[in-house]
Amino acid sequence: QVQLVQSGPEVKKPGASVKVSCKASGYTFTTYGISWVRQAPGQGLEWMGRISASNGNTNYVQKLQGRVTMTTDTSTSTAYMELRSLRSDDTAVYFCATVYSTSSPFDFWGQGTLVTVSS
Amino acid sequence: DIQMTQSPSTLSASVGDRVTITCRASQSISYWLAWYQQKPGKAPNLLIYKASSLESEVPSRFSGSGSGTEFTLTISSLQPEDFATYYCQQYKSYWTFGQGTKVEFK
Repeated sequence: QVQLVQSGPEVKKPGASVKVSCKASGYTFTTYGISWVRQAPGQGLEWMGRISASNGNTNYVQKLQGRVTMTTDTSTSTAYMELRSLRSDDTAVYFCATVYSTSSPFDFWGQGTLVTVSS
Repeated sequence: DIQMTQSPSTLSASVGDRVTITCRASQSISYWLAWYQQKPGKAPNLLIYKASSLESEVPSRFSGSGSGTEFTLTISSLQPEDFATYYCQQYKSYWTFGQGTKVEFK
């Protein structure tokens, strides 16, 4: 069965960077892309961007352009999301999710990673 | 960018009630709409895709309808495990979520 297992919680200071991992299993990694979604405490879901696991192409939401980088390591079936210049409003649970194509919803989700930004 | 607006933000209901949630897109998205259920502390779970197609293993009391800019999610007879927050998502142009509808006990 498809599983996405994310790395553990992080506490960072403002201005620092965080890199969250998402290890996939149960399917051929390059078949699906990976999208990243975040959810601030008590708030809704915000799509951050997506990476194709087959060719590495990325699309990022405009508000995060320049601060976010999504990568994949096909040798370990792992996707990564790095967010730089962290601010307090980046405090959120970060989810990875599989997406078959740019015309697909998000089928399978990781368990989420809490990133807390605090001085 | 395509904006998604859900209503209501909160819905109070009882077990057995018929529940309807509405989602409106800022421009036509044809049928490229999904619905998710999220329970506290958990990841969202895909319920419906292409506006009205039920994801496998999702109970048949859930149904979706609509096209263009107006969509609805209906739960025909609310069960105790259905108290949760529901999100719509467009995927015609990248992905955008609605702000969510919390279904709570009346």
